[in-house]
Amino acid sequence: DADVTQTPRNRITKTGKRIMLECSQTKGHDRMYWYRQDPGLGLQLIYYSFDVKDINKGEISDGYSVSRQAQAKFSLSLESAIPNQTALYFCATSDPGSGELFFGEGSRLTVL
Amino acid sequence: GENVEQHPSTLSVQEGDSAVIKCTYSDSASNYFPWYKQELGKGPQLIIDIRSNVGEKKDQRIAVTLNKTAKHFSLHITETQPEDSAVYFCAAKDTGGFKTIFGAGTRLFVKA
Repeated sequence: DADVTQTPRNRITKTGKRIMLECSQTKGHDRMYWYRQDPGLGLQLIYYSFDVKDINKGEISDGYSVSRQAQAKFSLSLESAIPNQTALYFCATSDPGSGELFFGEGSRLTVL
Repeated sequence: GENVEQHPSTLSVQEGDSAVIKCTYSDSASNYFPWYKQELGKGPQLIIDIRSNVGEKKDQRIAVTLNKTAKHFSLHITETQPEDSAVYFCAAKDTGGFKTIFGAGTRLFVKA
């Protein structure tokens, strides 16, 4: 099984709908992240969490919210999806010692 | 904040040739420089990293160099193989901080 699991892997929705992307990890890491990937723009940080009581905004948090339900679970929500939120979303954890990021396989979201 | 620029955006080489990807960073506080490889349909995965107290690091066919004065770092892949075809991301991080900032990515094609 993957160390970082994202669901759903693909989702098509309509403008104005609420969407939740879920992430769970078995790495035992406290630090979790949500990134967005757009072609030619690399990976941009949306939100990050260092433990269940710590949530921080990243570079592009507008229009998104997150919930850290447990050490192993970190979900990303789009309260009212819009077409320019069409992207590939990645959840990640990090090893606090090395700084290495461990990514899930991604959730491709299309907003029509 | 940190800004990471990566070039080229696309690179096509013949199997067996070398490939070089270059990155620059802006924040002199950055001291950890990882490189991630993203294969089709998967999340990025760390392939090599370098810290600011080292000028060069090698792991089989891949090597990374760092010039702290110029704020440049590069990935070198020798004897390229078709399985090296992927998107490569450079990144920079202050290990005392919380954000890994990514370059925009380089799509490498290795032609057999």
